[in-house]
Amino acid sequence: NAGVTQTPKFQVLKTGQSMTLQCAQDMNHEYMSWYRQDPGMGLRLIHYSVGAGITDQGEVPNGYNVSRSTTEDFPLRLLSAAPSQTSVYFCASSIRQGAHEKLFFGSGTQLSVL
Amino acid sequence: GQQLNQSPQSMFIQEGEDVSMNCTSSSIFNTWLWYKQDPGEGPVLLIALYKAGELTSNGRLTAQFGITRKDSFLNISASIPSDVGIYFCAGHPSGTYKYIFGTGTRLKVLA
Repeated sequence: NAGVTQTPKFQVLKTGQSMTLQCAQDMNHEYMSWYRQDPGMGLRLIHYSVGAGITDQGEVPNGYNVSRSTTEDFPLRLLSAAPSQTSVYFCASSIRQGAHEKLFFGSGTQLSVL
Repeated sequence: GQQLNQSPQSMFIQEGEDVSMNCTSSSIFNTWLWYKQDPGEGPVLLIALYKAGELTSNGRLTAQFGITRKDSFLNISASIPSDVGIYFCAGHPSGTYKYIFGTGTRLKVLA
């Protein structure tokens, strides 16, 4: 049971390039989300999904797209990378165990945009 | 966007000392989660709280869901060097799918 798996671990992009950060979970979780972590800012929600085919914007969605074609996968696309998108990105998933939700994180992708 | 107020921002303590940190919000939360993050890793869930007044322990860690549902506390007893890291609280506001995170407490333990 791998939990939440993110790839790649590290990525360097040039301004204007596009790429996709991959996230997969094998726990049959309904809820998946993407966060970015910047120094002194905590974790900020980019996009989230409450099930296959359903996505919604979080706090900082500009410059990012997501899709949820399966329960397991929730990729994050950077359309045209900008230096302001240099950050550490975390994918997370959760399931409602009755009313007891628990949010689990992947190990992160460190992205640098030059 | 909404953020939780987490304090202290950082602390240095001696090995063996107890540690306390807290998070407060202007909103009522249904769930409080406490995480620890080591360098280069993702946050790892330590304790989950689901009910006002709830007190839950995980080894040397104890967390409480505040009675007002707007705050939570984490205590670490008899700290050891491996407790070093960043501790985050996260709250789940009622009626939303979103989790709100605190800015973290950076803990350093002096042997």
